[in-house]
Amino acid sequence: TQLLEQSPQFLSIQEGENLTVYCNSSSVFSSLQWYRQEPGEGPVLLVTVVTGGEVKKLKRLTFQFGDARKDSSLHITAAQPGDTGLYLCAGAPQTGANNLFFGTGTRLTVIP
Amino acid sequence: SQTIHQWPATLVQPVGSPLSLECTVEGTSNPNLYWYRQAAGRGLQLLFYSVGIGQISSEVPQNLSASRPQDRQFILSSKKLLLSDSGFYLCAWTGILNTGELFFGEGSRLTVL
Repeated sequence: TQLLEQSPQFLSIQEGENLTVYCNSSSVFSSLQWYRQEPGEGPVLLVTVVTGGEVKKLKRLTFQFGDARKDSSLHITAAQPGDTGLYLCAGAPQTGANNLFFGTGTRLTVIP
Repeated sequence: SQTIHQWPATLVQPVGSPLSLECTVEGTSNPNLYWYRQAAGRGLQLLFYSVGIGQISSEVPQNLSASRPQDRQFILSSKKLLLSDSGFYLCAWTGILNTGELFFGEGSRLTVL
């Protein structure tokens, strides 16, 4: 089993603040994905990063894949209440693998 | 368009009773299908995945089993539920391009009493 540790586990911030969520592992992944999950629903894919050092932006969200493809970060600028949710990273251990390893999750609450 | 559905959405069962959760994908053929379990507000644990009819891979020894009787149907079962089987169960597939990204169903909340 390849473990992905996310930090922080819980994060509560005021609207308008910036935040960064981290996803770390000792294993190398061919790609890494970020999902957001609302209570009582399934996770929804936000982004996939594939190349070491890759940076992708999705409006106020910036995703980075570590150079060694072992870690990733999610930075949110000027957080809004709509960003509230559980953020999950997931790594694909090798190209064409049939499974993903999910991180431990970060519960974000943005207070209006 | 392709969609994935699972049911029931909520289930309350006594210890020792059987379980059957069903998942279907529409609008595609021969999808890779997955069952995950999620503890309260945490990450997902892969339980089973299937690359075709009758082909089931188990990731974690447990009180559960899976079957794929039809191409687009994936069923999660138990003969006798345990308290520890409580959780949020998610079915997923890899999408028509099969790039490894997962698309999830709505989830099934199981409470074992």
